[in-house]
Amino acid sequence: GAGVSQSPSNKVTEKGKDVELRCDPISGHTALYWYRQSLGQGLEFLIYFQGNSAPDKSGLPSDRFSAERTGGSVSTLTIQRTQQEDSAVYLCASSSSPTGRYEQYFGPGTRLTVT
Amino acid sequence: DAKTTQPPSMDCAEGRAANLPCNHSTISGNEYVYWYRQIHSQGPQYIIHGLKNNETNEMASLIITEDRKSSTLILPHATLRDTAVYYCIVRVRDTNAGKSTFGDGTTLTVKP
Repeated sequence: GAGVSQSPSNKVTEKGKDVELRCDPISGHTALYWYRQSLGQGLEFLIYFQGNSAPDKSGLPSDRFSAERTGGSVSTLTIQRTQQEDSAVYLCASSSSPTGRYEQYFGPGTRLTVT
Repeated sequence: DAKTTQPPSMDCAEGRAANLPCNHSTISGNEYVYWYRQIHSQGPQYIIHGLKNNETNEMASLIITEDRKSSTLILPHATLRDTAVYYCIVRVRDTNAGKSTFGDGTTLTVKP
């Protein structure tokens, strides 16, 4: 089936505006992750959803960041009052157990530029 | 999750084996070693994982030391398309494992 998809692929926004980034995980995957990657840097964990459990929000950098996952499938990452330091590639990944490997499948990312 | 340490960069000649090291001295008994790679402008891609035995698949081989404190990813015949950032992470093999801690990885450059 299809892999993890993310939209939009690119987003340019003005400082102070709100943005929503969408992630469609692989169908049936119960775990969903959001990461952020600044230019030339490694991946920074943001938030993790697993089934109906409370999400692990420990990586969210400020209260301007929030995420939800509706119906255990699609997830939306919202950044309010964007700042220039929010500019990065936002990556979504999903994971499940059928392969027994528990590897994460990553989407192509959304490149966010805050001007 | 245990922390990992990798060299920031490595070069390899095309057609030769690329050996990428990773130190994970604080790994717990139930944690696996996973390797991913990220080709420029793409999301990371799973390569291989292992617990304590050496593993091989169509992409690479993974050698884990007996004390499990370090490992080496081997690309037996590197090609130009293997140029990427390679990440070594350790985590339990469970969907409920939570976040993965990715470091800065090793930038492998395969040269003609």
